[in-house]
Amino acid sequence: EAGVVQSPRYKIIEKKQPVAFWCNPISGHNTLYWYLQNLGQGPELLIRYENEEAVDDSQLPKDRFSAERLKGVDSTLKIQPAELGDSAVYLCASSSDRVGEQYFGPGTRLTVT
Amino acid sequence: ILNVEQSPQSLHVQEGDSTNFTCSFPSSNFYALHWYRWETAKSPEALFVMTLNGDEKKKGRISATLNTKEGYSYLYIKGSQPEDSATYLCAFFKAAGNKLTFGGGTRVLVKP
Repeated sequence: EAGVVQSPRYKIIEKKQPVAFWCNPISGHNTLYWYLQNLGQGPELLIRYENEEAVDDSQLPKDRFSAERLKGVDSTLKIQPAELGDSAVYLCASSSDRVGEQYFGPGTRLTVT
Repeated sequence: ILNVEQSPQSLHVQEGDSTNFTCSFPSSNFYALHWYRWETAKSPEALFVMTLNGDEKKKGRISATLNTKEGYSYLYIKGSQPEDSATYLCAFFKAAGNKLTFGGGTRVLVKP
């Protein structure tokens, strides 16, 4: 079975530029998560989807971050405009239910200069 | 704010030695404790999902124990190998909660 796919793997942009990350979860997984991981810290949840509905976006900085999961499959996370402090790894994960094991993609390492 | 702590932050282990490290989490409202292994440039990989007090789980040379009453879990690596070098993350799932809260991870480097 194919794992969670993320692209790009690495992205370098200048501050104030927009950036988008894409995630394709494991087939059949209804729950999709976007996490932010800063160096030396554990992943922190940004947003959780159940199918196409964002059921927990309380940690998403909505002034500059947005996400969508059209048709309840692929998802895109966008930052506009990016700030220096957004440099981090952005992880996508999926699971078959909200309490079970999560399957992670390899992450996108964002560097904002 | 849930407090999930891992110690130590990093660990250097000689090949062949055994090691262990700790995850501490709130002892109230426990539902599950997850362990993940994250190798550089790869995806975090689930090792264990533990739900019962006293639970012990094993996968190859890696095992974990769980004490929900005192709020800690140990992860053990027996006979460490260079391929065990990774960051090990624990994550707490609260009863009636809706998300995992991760610890900061323990970075393990196994030296040949």
